[in-house]
Amino acid sequence: SQQGEEDPQALSIQEGENATMNCSYKTSINNLQWYRQNSGRGLVHLILIRSNEREKHSGRLRVTLDTSKKSSSLLITASRAADTASYFCATVLPTGTASKLTFGTGTRLQVML
Amino acid sequence: GAVVSQHPSRVICKSGTSVKIECRSLDFQATTMFWYRQFPKQSLMLMATSNEGSKATYEQGVEKDKFLINHASLTLSTLTVTSAHPEDSSFYICSARNRPPVAGYTFGSGTRLTVV
Repeated sequence: SQQGEEDPQALSIQEGENATMNCSYKTSINNLQWYRQNSGRGLVHLILIRSNEREKHSGRLRVTLDTSKKSSSLLITASRAADTASYFCATVLPTGTASKLTFGTGTRLQVML
Repeated sequence: GAVVSQHPSRVICKSGTSVKIECRSLDFQATTMFWYRQFPKQSLMLMATSNEGSKATYEQGVEKDKFLINHASLTLSTLTVTSAHPEDSSFYICSARNRPPVAGYTFGSGTRLTVV
């Protein structure tokens, strides 16, 4: 299965600290995306990084991609209580017309006041 | 931005009945939509890819006669859980790919199905 593994499974930090989540996958990809899910809700797209990119920033988010290690990381800087959610990486394979997403196992982040 | 509306958000049904979940793209045309299933505290598992005007493509292990998908228009895909059983209780989410230059996919808000 292409499904990625994320670690840690759960992360609890204090507000203001940085949170780092890691994602590993198994096969070649076209791009990797990160999503956020609040409890009982749908997913929100955060950032997309293509296979030929190594790092990308968006606000307080920083994503890295290492295709040689088949891994990615998501860094949230200066975390806030509102960042509490589950975070998923998702990969898109390089071939095929459906461009379907395959999700990682997710990291549950709790940011405490 | 792109919006995907999913209804109902919650549904409780009796065993043996069927439940229909709708997923609409409100401000864009989605030729392809995706249906996922999510168990508590777990990841999303792709069930099927819904193609407008043609048959859905189901993932391995997903019963196509159990989970009927219809994508009759460019803005509407439906998932019908037929003859529901308690083990079908889950969170079902649809998504559609955004049109470039918008990256990523837009997800519906999900449907919590409880079969009693």
